[in-house]
Amino acid sequence: EAAVTQSPRNKVAVTGGKVTLSCNQTNNHNNMYWYRQDTGHGLRLIHYSYGAGSTEKGDIPDGYKASRPSQENFSLILELATPSQTSVYFCASGVRVGGDTGQLYFGEGSKLTVL
Amino acid sequence: AQSVTQPDARVTVSEGASLQLRCKYSYSGTPYLFWYVQYPRQGLQLLLKYYSGDPVVQGVNGFEAEFSKSNSSFHLRKASVHWSDSAVYFCVLWGTNTGKLTFGDGTVLTVKP
Repeated sequence: EAAVTQSPRNKVAVTGGKVTLSCNQTNNHNNMYWYRQDTGHGLRLIHYSYGAGSTEKGDIPDGYKASRPSQENFSLILELATPSQTSVYFCASGVRVGGDTGQLYFGEGSKLTVL
Repeated sequence: AQSVTQPDARVTVSEGASLQLRCKYSYSGTPYLFWYVQYPRQGLQLLLKYYSGDPVVQGVNGFEAEFSKSNSSFHLRKASVHWSDSAVYFCVLWGTNTGKLTFGDGTVLTVKP
C-alpha cells in the first residue's frame, strides 16, 4: 500500500526562524507535492516535483522553498517563518505513468504554529 | 481556467439517512474527477474516481458518485450513512489538458447518532 510519511507532525516555531518539513514516500512515485490547508481555502499547492533534483512553483510559493534530493524525499523549507504560515501542511505523491492520472497519496499532515 | 465548487460547506444528516454531497466543476476538456475523504487529524484518502465510461462509479464503504457532463457535476451519494462517515469530503478535478489538479473547498459532514 502507498505510504507517505511526514515529519514532524507538530511544530512550534518562532517568527524569523527556519523550519523544515520533511516527507518520505515508499511508493516509488515520480511526482511529489506540498499543500497547505487553511479553513475556507481548501488545499493550496505550494511546490511540487517531477523527480529527484526538480522542484516547481505551485500556486502560492512565496515564502517557501522546496528540495527533492532523491526519489523518496521531498522537503519544504521556510527560511524566515511568519505567523501567516501557521497552517497544516500536507505532502502527497503521485504516479506519472503514460501521463498523469491525478490520483494522489497523502501523508497525515504537519501542523505548524509560528508564534 | 478550471474550478471546482462544493456549494454546501456543511451538511448534517441523521445516522441511517441517505446522503448526497454536491460537486460542480468547470473545465473545457475531459476531466478526471475524484472524491477524497479526510478524517480528523488525518490526510486525505481516496474514496472513488472517474476517468471515463459508466457515469456511476462505486467507491469504498458504500459510496458512489455520478458524473454528468451536461450538468458539469459529480455528486457523491450514500444510501445509509453511519456515524463514522463524519469527516470532510473533497471533490477534486484533474485537467487532462492542463495537467493541473484543482480541489474544492470541502464539505464537512456530520452524522448525528
